[in-house]
Amino acid sequence: SQQGEEDPQALSIQEGENATMNCSYKTSINNLQWYRQNSGRGLVHLILIRSNEREKHSGRLRVTLDTSKKSSSLLITASRAADTASYFCAPSVAGGFKTIFGAGTRLFVKA
Amino acid sequence: EPEVTQTPSHQVTQMGQEVILRCVPISNHLYFYWYRQILGQKVEFLVSFYNNEISEKSEIFDDQFSVERPDGSNFTLKIRSTKLEDSAMYFCASSEPSLSSNEQFFGPGTRLTVL
Repeated sequence: SQQGEEDPQALSIQEGENATMNCSYKTSINNLQWYRQNSGRGLVHLILIRSNEREKHSGRLRVTLDTSKKSSSLLITASRAADTASYFCAPSVAGGFKTIFGAGTRLFVKA
Repeated sequence: EPEVTQTPSHQVTQMGQEVILRCVPISNHLYFYWYRQILGQKVEFLVSFYNNEISEKSEIFDDQFSVERPDGSNFTLKIRSTKLEDSAMYFCASSEPSLSSNEQFFGPGTRLTVL
């Protein structure tokens, strides 16, 4: 299956702490993307990491990819209350048209 | 920054009625998608569209559903005879013409309520 599985299902932290979310997948991929969804809102693309990359940064976000273990992690540093949302990973196979979303990690950042 | 837009933001309809959900993808994108999210559940892929035809569709996308790109800017999802279980958020997305990177940009969604 192309679907990514996020772990943990839910995460509650204090503002200022770091949040780490993990993703596992089963197929060989071309790239992997992370999305955020605020409650009842649309999906926002956060970052894309290609299969030949091991780590990527964007602002307070750090994504790693280990293709040998078929896993990825998303680290949000110095979290803020506004980071409260659900986070999804989306593995992408070559030539794939669709994104298959898992259940996501629900992150709650307490002020 | 360019963005995907969707109208209406909320649509209420009676069971059995037809609805058309509208999307304006990002202008230079060539791949278009519809997803839906039933309240409290996962975002589910419905259909992808490229070069004026469906590229892929899920088992959810049955004969009640159709998509169309009626002009150079709009992309529509039609549900012919709505059912209660069609109540959901419907998201449109688009991506650039590169299969090596299918970064998809999502619209804000249309909340469909079927009574």
